[in-house]
Amino acid sequence: EVQLLESGGDLVQPGGSLRLSCGTSGFNFSNYAMSWVRQAPGKGLEWVSGCSSTGDMRVYAESVKGRFIISRDNSKGTLYLQMKNLRSEDTAVYSCAKGLHSVSFNELDSWGQGTLVAVSS
Amino acid sequence: QSVLTQPPSVSAASGQKVTISCSGSSSNMGSNFVSWYQQLPGTAPKLLIHYNTQRPSGIPDRFSGSKSGTSATLGITGLQTGDEAVYYCGTWDSSLSAVQFGGGTKLAVL
Repeated sequence: EVQLLESGGDLVQPGGSLRLSCGTSGFNFSNYAMSWVRQAPGKGLEWVSGCSSTGDMRVYAESVKGRFIISRDNSKGTLYLQMKNLRSEDTAVYSCAKGLHSVSFNELDSWGQGTLVAVSS
Repeated sequence: QSVLTQPPSVSAASGQKVTISCSGSSSNMGSNFVSWYQQLPGTAPKLLIHYNTQRPSGIPDRFSGSKSGTSATLGITGLQTGDEAVYYCGTWDSSLSAVQFGGGTKLAVL
C-alpha cells in the first residue's frame, strides 16, 4: 500500500522559512515523479511544484517561483519543499502526491493527508 | 481565479446522472491530457480519471471522462449519496509550465 506522510508544517512569521518533508513507503520512490499541492482553508487545490523521478526536472507555480525549492532524496524515499520569504497567502495545508510515472505532474494517483503551514505575525 | 473554469455546484437526484464541465484554453486543455479528482469531505483528493478518459483500477465505471477541444466533462451515473464531494479537473499548461486545477465543483445528491 502506497503511503505518503508529510511533516514540517508550523506557524511562521511573514518573511520566514520552513522545510517540509514527505516520507514514503509502499512503492519504488525513485521511479515516480512527485508533486506538492496546497489547499488554503476552505479553498480549492493549488499545485505548487513538481519533481521528476531523477530530480532533473523541477517545475513551479508562478506564485512560488523563486521562493520555494523542491528536492528529493531517492535513497531515503523522501520529498522536500524548502520555502522561504513566506507570505500570508502561503497559508495552507501542503500535501505531497505521487505521479503516475517518472515525469507525471498532472496524474496524481496517491496523496498524503497534508501538513499545515500558517504564516502570520 | 483559476485558469480552468468549472461550475461552482451541480446537483441531481439519487440514481440519476450528472455531468461536470471544465473549460480551458489551447495552451492547457487544448493540448494536454485532463485528470479529474474527487475530494470527499475531510479527505485527500482521489484520482478518478486520467489521460482524459482512463479510470485507475478500483474506480467504478459509473465515472467517465471525455474531452473535446478546450473543454472536458466528467460524467457520473447512478448517483449515490456517497458521491457528494468536490470534483476538480486538472491539466498541464504548456505556456505556464505548471499544472492548473479548476476551482472545483461541489456535487449535491438530492
